[in-house]
Amino acid sequence: GENVEQHPSTLSVQEGDSAVIKCTYSDSASNYFPWYKQELGKRPQLIIDIRSNVGEKKDQRIAVTLNKTAKHFSLHITETQPEDSAVYFCAATYNDMRFGAGTRLTVKP
Amino acid sequence: GAGVSQTPSNKVTEKGKYVELRCDPISGHTALYWYRQSLGQGPEFLIYFQGTGAADDSGLPNDRFFAVRPEGSVSTLKIQRTERGDSAVYLCASSANGGATDTQYFGPGTRLTVL
Repeated sequence: GENVEQHPSTLSVQEGDSAVIKCTYSDSASNYFPWYKQELGKRPQLIIDIRSNVGEKKDQRIAVTLNKTAKHFSLHITETQPEDSAVYFCAATYNDMRFGAGTRLTVKP
Repeated sequence: GAGVSQTPSNKVTEKGKYVELRCDPISGHTALYWYRQSLGQGPEFLIYFQGTGAADDSGLPNDRFFAVRPEGSVSTLKIQRTERGDSAVYLCASSANGGATDTQYFGPGTRLTVL
């Protein structure tokens, strides 16, 4: 089955800096790659997703890139703000959705 | 409209007991998913319903776990003879059509603690 690895497990940045989180997946058939943000004690919330026929997608300060050949995809957050602090999960889907272990992002004011 | 809801929000039980966790998906969503999230980990897939039928139950860890969705809306996850290792947050999600590229919307989860 699909195996998703996510790095780093923790990331600390200064407010205004950029943050990058990287994921790799194993099943070349996976065709949908969402990113979820989860604040402490809250439900995961979709922040951006990308489908396999697209290499990059951007939504304001958030962008995701996908390299299908290398089987990796990344989340980029620019101009980080303290409210971006949370745990971020990547996922890859073919038949069912498999999640990475998460990245705890801390944005220091 | 209302999002995915789950009840109870917290459940404390003793080892060996039976528990039921309930999920109300977004109205009209045909697909429903159950996940388990242990502390410091990502959600782990358990089972996926398309309508009333379990389309994929490959994530259920063993035969103590069972889920139903008799009318294609509300779903119940049932755990028999609970063990301490079952302690986790159980998340439910729904999507409009169940396609592989459909967005899944999560509920707030049920935190299960087995003493």
